[in-house]
Amino acid sequence: QLHLQEPGPGLVKPSETLSLTCTVSGGSISSSSYYWGWIRQPPGKGLEWIGTIYYSGNTYYNPSLKSRVTMSVDTSKNQFSLNLSSVTAADTAVYYCARHQGYFDLWGRGTLVIVSS
Amino acid sequence: QSALTQPASVSGSPGQSITISCTGTSSDVGGYKYVSWYQQHPGKAPKLMIYDVSNRPSGISNRFSGSKSGNTASLTISGLQAEDEADYYCSSFTISSTYVFGTGTKVTVL
Repeated sequence: QLHLQEPGPGLVKPSETLSLTCTVSGGSISSSSYYWGWIRQPPGKGLEWIGTIYYSGNTYYNPSLKSRVTMSVDTSKNQFSLNLSSVTAADTAVYYCARHQGYFDLWGRGTLVIVSS
Repeated sequence: QSALTQPASVSGSPGQSITISCTGTSSDVGGYKYVSWYQQHPGKAPKLMIYDVSNRPSGISNRFSGSKSGNTASLTISGLQAEDEADYYCSSFTISSTYVFGTGTKVTVL
């Protein structure tokens, strides 16, 4: 059974870079059938797609976040990562990693990241 | 990209049927079969309920069904049950090779 887990830093200072890593267990991140994505949800608000990466390293980003987002994949560790730079309070959210293939079928439990000094 | 439009809330009595709409454009909902629906209970991760407009993943009750007409997709829950009370989100692939979620709908079982 595939499992995704995204432990996070919890607290990030304004203007710094938020870094999260999603570990995939029970299956290979290098499967050609799947893409891997990040989605966030500010407290009390809706879901927002951040970006997607393929095991080959191809990336697709939300245009509204593109200038601040970098995603990477480490197939040797079965992990993919998110970096979001120059964060503000508006970036406070639960961040989810997920597997997808046109739809998001497996999700991590999510990690709350608070941006505060 | 703009979020897909959903009603903020929908309610129904146990046993009734409700329908949640998800309106986009020809560049997302209307242009692709990649429309999906998610159920989210408080404090939990979203759960896939419908994919590719009308397909149910294994283990999802047949009380949940999806459809699409033009730029609007719909999720219907029939035989409404107390456990169906949750937030529901639609999602679509877009012409820019990105994904967009709906604004979310809170379903209340009266």
